[in-house]
Amino acid sequence: KNQVEQSPQSLIILEGKNCTLQCNYTVSPFSNLRWYKQDTGRGPVSLTIMTFSENTKSNGRYTATLDADTKQSSLHITASQLSDSASYICVVTPSGGSYIPTFGRGTSLIVHP
Amino acid sequence: DAGITQSPRHKVTETGTPVTLRCHQTENHRYMYWYRQDPGHGLRLIHYSYGVKDTDKGEVSDGYSVSRSKTEDFLLTLESATSSQTSVYFCAIKARLAGEFAQSGEQFFGPGTRLTVL
Repeated sequence: KNQVEQSPQSLIILEGKNCTLQCNYTVSPFSNLRWYKQDTGRGPVSLTIMTFSENTKSNGRYTATLDADTKQSSLHITASQLSDSASYICVVTPSGGSYIPTFGRGTSLIVHP
Repeated sequence: DAGITQSPRHKVTETGTPVTLRCHQTENHRYMYWYRQDPGHGLRLIHYSYGVKDTDKGEVSDGYSVSRSKTEDFLLTLESATSSQTSVYFCAIKARLAGEFAQSGEQFFGPGTRLTVL
């Protein structure tokens, strides 16, 4: 069964600090990996998307990395802001078939002033 | 929200009553999805549609049915709601992308419906 595991489950940091969120997956064969940000009470919004051939992708202060050999990805947030407080979800889409993605449970990030 | 609306946004109902949630999109996307989101779980797929009158089950489809009679609307029905169906329900569409993402596309989510079954 395809699985996506995220760690840590929750994280509290001070404003201005950096942090890194982890994602391990078993989905194979693999088409792409996305990181979503979900604010409380809202739907997820895509931050980055990478294929198996890419190993890094940036979106402003967010940088995602991918190691397709070890099936691991990370999301690094630089100079955190209060607005970064949200849940961050790793999503892996298989290659072929109906392309139904598998969602991780998310990491809840709280940024304190 | 990529032109996706959900209605109602909040609903409280009693066990055993039927409930229908509506997802409406304005951009003519072929694929539409219904997910539920619960604490301790990732988003879980209930049903999805790949065209008018074409639907398929997801991993948690028991107790749910769907219908898609028009491209723009995807309805999720709980025939007889149970307390275990208390959840936040998200609709999503899959937008076609260019190049290497053309097959898998990218999902965009609606704002969600919070359903409470007493």
